[in-house]
Amino acid sequence: SAVISQKPSRDICQRGTSLTIQCQVDSQVTMMFWYRQQPGQSLTLIATANQGSEATYESGFVIDKFPISRPNLTFSTLTVSNLSPEDSSIYLCSVEDRAANSPLHFGNGTRLTVT
Amino acid sequence: AQSVTQLDSHVSVSEGTPVLLRCNYSSSYSPSLFWYVQHPNKGLQLLLKYTSAATLVKGINGFEAEFKKSETSFHLTKPSAHMSDAAEYFCVVSRPPNTGFQKLVFGTGTRLLVSP
Repeated sequence: SAVISQKPSRDICQRGTSLTIQCQVDSQVTMMFWYRQQPGQSLTLIATANQGSEATYESGFVIDKFPISRPNLTFSTLTVSNLSPEDSSIYLCSVEDRAANSPLHFGNGTRLTVT
Repeated sequence: AQSVTQLDSHVSVSEGTPVLLRCNYSSSYSPSLFWYVQHPNKGLQLLLKYTSAATLVKGINGFEAEFKKSETSFHLTKPSAHMSDAAEYFCVVSRPPNTGFQKLVFGTGTRLLVSP
């Protein structure tokens, strides 16, 4: 199964700043996904990132707030912009292993606290 | 549209007793179903998956789940709880494999508490 490395594992940021989260996979994957897990909540899909195309955002998430890059088949970044305390969450990167008919693998997540 | 309902937000058991975590799903087609576990400060780990093969699915760490189409359920069970099973468990529904990318829809989670 794919090994996903996510950085940073946690961060504390000030209101109004931005945080960029990196996701590195040890194999080439077509699709990468970014999820948010708010405190005490379940996971919600933010967007789907394909290499070489614009990310596809879910309802309630916009590119200006959550810009995503996908420069190659093993790497993606998610930026959370103009931070507010409501952005305090765990952000998780995941990948699909369709060749193995396998569901999503998840990174360990980035725990963001906004002060 | 797909959705899952986890019927209990918290389940408390004693070590050595059976575990039952309940999940009902709604899907307009034959779904794929999964259970993921999340230990504190850890990522998500796949416990088991159902993708239209055997209805009784065995997973890791002694967990299993049974797909019951007539009841639209996919309950997670384990015969004997261990202290290390204490975690958050998510029931997840998805499209069938090879029908499109697997956009997962997560349930709200069940926190399993295991007492000595």
